[in-house]
Amino acid sequence: GAVVSQHPSRVICKSGTSVKIECRSLDFQATTMFWYRQFPKQSLMLMATSNEGSKATYEQGVEKDKFLINHASLTLSTLTVTSAHPEDSSFYICSVGTSGASTDTQYFGPGTRLTVL
Amino acid sequence: GENVEQHPSTLSVQEGDSAVIKCTYSDSASNYFPWYKQELGKGPQLIIDIRSNVGEKKDQRIAVTLNKTAKHFSLHITETQPEDSAVYFCAATSGTYKYIFGTGTRLKVLA
Repeated sequence: GAVVSQHPSRVICKSGTSVKIECRSLDFQATTMFWYRQFPKQSLMLMATSNEGSKATYEQGVEKDKFLINHASLTLSTLTVTSAHPEDSSFYICSVGTSGASTDTQYFGPGTRLTVL
Repeated sequence: GENVEQHPSTLSVQEGDSAVIKCTYSDSASNYFPWYKQELGKGPQLIIDIRSNVGEKKDQRIAVTLNKTAKHFSLHITETQPEDSAVYFCAATSGTYKYIFGTGTRLKVLA
């Protein structure tokens, strides 16, 4: 499967600041990447679908001006949490969508733990 | 709307016993069903998957079965080991990449 990395693995920031999280596909050219948020002891919630070279598609209820996504290359997508607040504290996970002979498999990164003070 | 129900939410088994986790989906167009294992503080890891044209798939101690008529699929882990302890998520998709995840099952294997 695809190998996915994220940076940083954890970040602590002050309320009102912006934080950028990187997601890299190390061995696969990913035209599609996904960003998820996971609160403690809960399932994964899809935030947005990131397509290389085009605007991201956001899920209902996710503010596109607060969660900026840039997918400028086939190996890198970034999520910027702007003007972060304590309620944005969560585990953010990206995934890479692979498609081949009728496969729709997603491979996930290790996640980024964001804590907003 | 589309949803995936997953049961049980927690499961404790003795080492060496089998564990079964069940999921039921609502969207009849779903045709791909992956299972992920998530350890504490880590991202989900794909452990096995099955497509709608197959009824069962096995990979060593792990197997998945699919009943399209009843719209449910199950994960079976045999000869469980302490390192199998984790949270397991099922998911379903109709091929548009958008996964509908189950709520997760916390498996604890007791040594």
